[in-house]
Amino acid sequence: NAGVTQTPKFQVLKTGQSMTLQCAQDMNHEYMSWYRQDPGMGLRLIHYSVGAGITDQGEVPNGYNVSRSTTEDFPLRLLSAAPSQTSVYFCASSKPTGLARDIQYFGAGTRLSVL
Amino acid sequence: EDQVTQSPEALRLQEGESSSLNCSYTVSGLRGLFWYRQDPGKGPEFLFTLYSAGEEKEKERLKATLTKKESFLHITAPKPEDSATYLCARLTGGGNKLTFGTGTQLKVEL
Repeated sequence: NAGVTQTPKFQVLKTGQSMTLQCAQDMNHEYMSWYRQDPGMGLRLIHYSVGAGITDQGEVPNGYNVSRSTTEDFPLRLLSAAPSQTSVYFCASSKPTGLARDIQYFGAGTRLSVL
Repeated sequence: EDQVTQSPEALRLQEGESSSLNCSYTVSGLRGLFWYRQDPGKGPEFLFTLYSAGEEKEKERLKATLTKKESFLHITAPKPEDSATYLCARLTGGGNKLTFGTGTQLKVEL
């Protein structure tokens, strides 16, 4: 049981490049989310999904796209990278019911630098 | 707008010196308050969930409490391995969205 797996762990991009951050979970959780963490600002929600085929915007969605074709995977796409997207990105998953409801389990993060 | 404010930003303790971290939140419609621990270079690790005022939960040297406007994370006789950043978050809007505070960076010295 691996939990939430994020790849890659580190990435350096040039301004304007595109890339996809991968996130997979093996806990059969309905909810998945992407956060970014910047110094002094806490974790901020980018996009989230309440189930396969359903996604919605969070607090800071501009410049990012998501899709959820399966329960397990929730990739985050940067369309045209900008230096302001330099950050640490975390994926999380949770379930809405049961004893462990609402608890979000986080991956180890992807550290992205945009030059 | 749901907000979460943590204090202090940083805290340095001697081993065995008990203290408390504070998390205050906007009062409207709290559906759940969470504490996480984050070690450098790692993702947040779940510690506690609190749902209603008066609720308390404990784990080893940590105890989390909740009132109608704030939560405390009490650390009793801390050890160096308790050094980490402690994050507070609340459920916000619908679904499982979280609003996080900026964290308290705790360092416990020998």
